[in-house]
Amino acid sequence: GAGVSQSPSNKVTEKGKDVELRCDPISGHTALYWYRQSLGQGLEFLIYFQGNSAPDKSGLPSDRFSAERTGGSVSTLTIQRTQQEDSAVYLCASSQPGSGNEQFFGPGTRLTVL
Amino acid sequence: AQSVTQLDSQVPVFEEAPVELRCNYSSSVSVYLFWYVQYPNQGLQLLLKYLSGSTLVKGINGFEAEFNKSQTSFHLRKPSVHISDTAEYFCAVSGGSGYSTLTFGKGTMLLVSP
Repeated sequence: GAGVSQSPSNKVTEKGKDVELRCDPISGHTALYWYRQSLGQGLEFLIYFQGNSAPDKSGLPSDRFSAERTGGSVSTLTIQRTQQEDSAVYLCASSQPGSGNEQFFGPGTRLTVL
Repeated sequence: AQSVTQLDSQVPVFEEAPVELRCNYSSSVSVYLFWYVQYPNQGLQLLLKYLSGSTLVKGINGFEAEFNKSQTSFHLRKPSVHISDTAEYFCAVSGGSGYSTLTFGKGTMLLVSP
């Protein structure tokens, strides 16, 4: 079946602009996660969804970052007023009940803020 | 809180030689342990996971790992590497029940040369 998909694959934006990153999880996966991968910081957890609710938002670095999930499926990560330090690869993952929390990752969105 | 330490940022090795990538973790609760591989410009792919049971876990591409609770380690091994194994390898830990975020190590770059 189809894996986790993310769009766009690459996004170049100017400092101060807003961006939206999209994640389409594997069908039937109720849990969805966003991570950020940047040089020197490794992989950082951002936010976790169970269905449409987000019980853990502890990794969002500032109030410029927000995410939502609708219909228990697609999720959008929004970054407002982007800064150069937001440049990174944003990874989405999903998992299903009973899988021992095995997370399946998408290919990522590479965000570059000029 | 959980943490993961990958002791080597880079491991150079010749083709057909054995390799061990080291991973140590800390956690106050029972854990699940994972190794992921990331090829250049791609997302993360699961190599293997430890949930419970046998402490020796076999994964894809000839890799295996051994869970050692007393040493809080989960080292990854392969008896004979190929050029195609050149990639970045991430060790990760999550809580040992239900849904839980993954905490990643900083990664180890495996460089296989002829």
